[in-house]
Amino acid sequence: GEDVEQSLFLSVREGDSSVINCTYTDSSSTYLYWYKQEPGAGLQLLTYIFSNMDMKQDQRLTVLLNKKDKHLSLRIADTQTGDSAIYFCAESSGNQGGKLIFGQGTELSVKP
Amino acid sequence: DTGVSQDPRHKITKRGQNVTFRCDPISEHNRLYWYRQTLGQGPEFLTYFQNEAQLEKSRLLSDRFSAERPKGSFSTLEIQRTEQGDSAMYLCASSYGSNQPQHFGDGTRLSIL
Repeated sequence: GEDVEQSLFLSVREGDSSVINCTYTDSSSTYLYWYKQEPGAGLQLLTYIFSNMDMKQDQRLTVLLNKKDKHLSLRIADTQTGDSAIYFCAESSGNQGGKLIFGQGTELSVKP
Repeated sequence: DTGVSQDPRHKITKRGQNVTFRCDPISEHNRLYWYRQTLGQGPEFLTYFQNEAQLEKSRLLSDRFSAERPKGSFSTLEIQRTEQGDSAMYLCASSYGSNQPQHFGDGTRLSIL
């Protein structure tokens, strides 16, 4: 079945760039998403990329997609303490009715 | 712009009781999804609706779980005879179409005593 994997923890210094990585197995994925979750809250959509794109930039966020290797990354430039949260990668496929398959989440810790 | 709303935010109940959660999606969204998230894990798909039709149910959704979306607007998720393993965050999301971004509510955290 489909699987999405992420590393569990990342720690960076304020002002540095953060790169969160994700791999997925479903080659029919049409969209790939990044969500942010703060403690006790729901998921906030950060950005998403269509599978025929290689890169998408949105202010401090850059998403890179390597479809051949089924690898997705999220780069956060100038990371701030307010970026500390859990980041989820998710993929969806039109074959699956649009339901999202999530990774386990990467906990980003930003130290001042 | 009203986002996805879930009620209640927290529910504490004794094992064996029935519970019902409500989700109000973004008004023009025809798709509504339910997910369950346990501690330290990503959300897992439970079921989804297109308008009032329930189109898919996960194998995670035992026969103690039932979901409805009677008029294609809000949805309810009921769990009968709750068990300890049902303790989780129940998340609702909505979207305008199958391959459009899903927007999530803040979830209902269920604790079974």
